[in-house]
Amino acid sequence: GENVEQHPSTLSVQEGDSAVIKCTYSDSASNYFPWYKQELGKRPQLIIDIRSNVGEKKDQRIAVTLNKTAKHFSLHITETQPEDSAVYFCASTDTGTASKLTFGTGTRLQVTL
Amino acid sequence: NAGVTQTPKFQVLKTGQSMTLQCAQDMNHEYMSWYRQDPGMGLRLIHYSVGAGITDQGEVPNGYNVSRSTTEDFPLRLLSAAPSQTSVYFCATRPGGGGNQPQHFGDGTRLSIL
Repeated sequence: GENVEQHPSTLSVQEGDSAVIKCTYSDSASNYFPWYKQELGKRPQLIIDIRSNVGEKKDQRIAVTLNKTAKHFSLHITETQPEDSAVYFCASTDTGTASKLTFGTGTRLQVTL
Repeated sequence: NAGVTQTPKFQVLKTGQSMTLQCAQDMNHEYMSWYRQDPGMGLRLIHYSVGAGITDQGEVPNGYNVSRSTTEDFPLRLLSAAPSQTSVYFCATRPGGGGNQPQHFGDGTRLSIL
C-alpha cells in the first residue's frame, strides 16, 4: 500500500518568514495530493490540493509543488502569520472509486512574533 | 446544510464496553470513511464505504465494525472497547466517482477508554 513520509515533524519560523513542508510518497499510481490544516481541537480542513497533471499550484500565500518523477510534493507558505500556526498534513491517493487517502504524520508549525 | 455531523463529541468508556460512534452527512456523498488520530501518527483509515451496502477495511480495522444501510449514515461500532482504542475519531466524506476530490471531515469524537 501507499506510504507517505512527511518532514519536518515540527517547524518554528518568525512571523513574515517562509515555511516549507515536504512529503514523499511510494505509489506511482498516486495522482491527487491534498494538504490539510488542523488547528488545536478542530477538524482537518483542506487548504490546497494538486493533481498530477500540474507541477505547481498557488492560492494567495500558499503554494504546492509536485515532482512526480521523484515522488515528492511540498507545501510553501510565504509571509507567515500567527494564525498559520497549526498542524499540517499531506496526503495522497489515486483516482479510483474506492481509492483511499493516505496521510503523512503531520508537521506542527509555530509562527512566532 | 450541516455537512458531516459526528456524535457524541466526547465519550468515556470502561474496558469491555461497547458503543457506536455516529456519522451523518447531508451532502449526498457516496464515499464515507472513518479515521483515528493518535499523537505523532497522523490519520489512519479504519473502514470506508463507496456506497450504501458496501464497506471495506482500511489500514487499522481490528476491533471495529461498520455498516452502511443508507447514503447518509455510516456508524462505527466498538464491540469490546480496549484502552488502545483511546483516540480521536474522524468521519470524512467525498463525492463518488473518483479519489481526486476533497474529503470533508466532521468535528470528531474524542474517546477515552479506561
